[in-house]
Amino acid sequence: QQQVKQSPQSLIVQKGGISIINCAYENTAFDYFPWYQQFPGKGPALLIAIRPDVSEKKEGRFTISFNKSAKQFSLHIMDSQPGDSATYFCAATLSNDYKLSFGAGTTVTVRA
Amino acid sequence: DAMVIQNPRYQVTQFGKPVTLSCSQTLNHNVMYWYQQKSSQAPKLLFHYYDKDFNNEADTPDNFQSRRPNTSFCFLDIRSPGLGDAAMYLCATSQSFRSWDRYNEQFFGPGTRLTVL
Repeated sequence: QQQVKQSPQSLIVQKGGISIINCAYENTAFDYFPWYQQFPGKGPALLIAIRPDVSEKKEGRFTISFNKSAKQFSLHIMDSQPGDSATYFCAATLSNDYKLSFGAGTTVTVRA
Repeated sequence: DAMVIQNPRYQVTQFGKPVTLSCSQTLNHNVMYWYQQKSSQAPKLLFHYYDKDFNNEADTPDNFQSRRPNTSFCFLDIRSPGLGDAAMYLCATSQSFRSWDRYNEQFFGPGTRLTVL
């Protein structure tokens, strides 16, 4: 079964707006939650990641919010730019595991 | 720049005709992974090598094989491609998976798009 559920499937935002992508996980043992950004025709690239001992992590315009009790985490893209148009995957794993459990992906389109 | 290189970027094969996809890395990472990604889906792990140790995912079809002749190279062999094997195949590497962090992430190559006619 899918261990990480991601929504929405796609979203359109105006330049300068905020993009929000939500993920929920099942396995309470997961302790590392990365987000990947994938442009068309390219492989995914790590964007930002968080561990459950913090509730928020910010890197530039990208912020992860983490709610351990609800088993949910989300990516916020502030001041969205056309260059942010891509597919975003959330993922979860155990610190000592090789396998990433990916969400289904969200295609973000930023309109100029 | 250190990187993960995949060749070819586009591969067309015929139904049932064996095909080999190539991945090389200049990162000197211990672990190499092969993923299958179908349109609008998340990457699906097929198998990985930790050094020379091969690990097959339980649901990877027998039709898929892999070879890692040395640290730098890894190959994906599809023995008898079916129409359902048309996908993007992604190679990734990591130093290890003992401890995930910003400095021990998976680096993905650009992928090989496989078309099966």
